[in-house]
Amino acid sequence: DIVMTQSPDSLAVSLGERATINCTSSQSVLHSSNNKNFLGWYQQKPGQPPKLLIYWASTRESGVPDRFSGSGSGTDFTLTISSLQAEDVAVYYCQQYYGLPQTFGQGTKVEIK
Amino acid sequence: QAQLVESGGGLVKPGGSLRLSCAASGFTFSDYYMNWIRQAPGKGLEWVAHINSAGTTKFYADSVRGRFTISRDNAKNSLYLHMSSLRAEDTAVYYCAAGVAADYWGQGSLVAVSS
Repeated sequence: DIVMTQSPDSLAVSLGERATINCTSSQSVLHSSNNKNFLGWYQQKPGQPPKLLIYWASTRESGVPDRFSGSGSGTDFTLTISSLQAEDVAVYYCQQYYGLPQTFGQGTKVEIK
Repeated sequence: QAQLVESGGGLVKPGGSLRLSCAASGFTFSDYYMNWIRQAPGKGLEWVAHINSAGTTKFYADSVRGRFTISRDNAKNSLYLHMSSLRAEDTAVYYCAAGVAADYWGQGSLVAVSS
């Protein structure tokens, strides 16, 4: 199984400041057939289901604010919130869909400092 | 607007069975891979099972293989998860999710396994 490891487990950021979450996979999730990274980022607010923010590692889902961006390739990925808003308080998960079983990172809790 | 609605959860004794359903609307269900993903209380996300758009290919997590069965009925825009030999560690909110990357999620259905 591909193991997904996120860092940090939690972070507190001031409103308007940048938040950065890292995700490392135990093997590459870059598929040679289409040169795409099979990596997604999800946001989960309390009492709600997860919501897809980013797919193919860097493609923003429709309707997702442009302060959210994804980067990276191969085994190392980053989700950046460029200017943290109060509504961004949530747990964020990375997920690989390169292989089965699909696997998630353990989650990163983002709070306001 | 895409919508997924799960039903069928509840309290069941260890060793018991339960069938979850997921009704889809607002998108072309028959075009999408479908997944069941669960979340134990206070824990992270765990992928459970996956079925392709035609219903001909199915994959399961090791933790549920041989006990859970995923199926779909494209004519009814519905996804199912039949769960048997349930254990306490199967207690979780079960989400259905559409897409290889899970584009759409339901609100979840709570399954509690306890004597």
